[in-house]
Amino acid sequence: IAGITQAPTSQILAAGRRMTLRCTQDMRHNAMYWYRQDLGLGLRLIHYSNTAGTTGKGEVPDGYSVSRANTDDFPLTLASAVPSQTSVYFCASSDSETGDQFFGPGTRLTVL
Amino acid sequence: GQNIDQPTEMTATEGAIVQINCTYQTSGFNGLFWYQQHAGEAPTFLSYNVLDGLEEKGRFSSFLSRSKGYSYLLLKELQMKDSASYLCAVRESNYQLIWGAGTKLIIKP
Repeated sequence: IAGITQAPTSQILAAGRRMTLRCTQDMRHNAMYWYRQDLGLGLRLIHYSNTAGTTGKGEVPDGYSVSRANTDDFPLTLASAVPSQTSVYFCASSDSETGDQFFGPGTRLTVL
Repeated sequence: GQNIDQPTEMTATEGAIVQINCTYQTSGFNGLFWYQQHAGEAPTFLSYNVLDGLEEKGRFSSFLSRSKGYSYLLLKELQMKDSASYLCAVRESNYQLIWGAGTKLIIKP
């Protein structure tokens, strides 16, 4: 693994289904983030974690949950997917909350 | 409220110079970032300004005026590979980043 990986690369999901997007980094960064990117809008922060064991809500947290059991992994869960959650999801990490952020390749999610 | 404005799209010619502007109104200020994002790819870090003035890094330079809530990214000697979206982001007092919608830069031969 080099940098940040995300899985799956893309997914089509029926509304109402549960889905977990995975994110793993091998840079030993303390801080991790989940964003969604929609056409015509800037990246919007969903949830973040400044260090393992802690999480916080971003700008658009509703319908999403996260956990940070260890330094490397930061999964994002959609408990019951809705069509408005169709988006490209990026995971990012930084060595601290003040560092520049490194992004994963993204997950393209379509909810029908 | 929070707001970051950038032009939606710009066109420039290969070999030329282009300036992409960003204006912001945010709750506190702890630095401004520029990222590059090629279509279908992840954003990658270009520059960071926290003090007023110009930061130069090769063909790319970034300028900040905190009193005016204004930054620009200057790209010199444009190459076709510079065709991408350029994202401006401001780090607020809580260290979270607020992102502009990005400027799509089209380079023509």
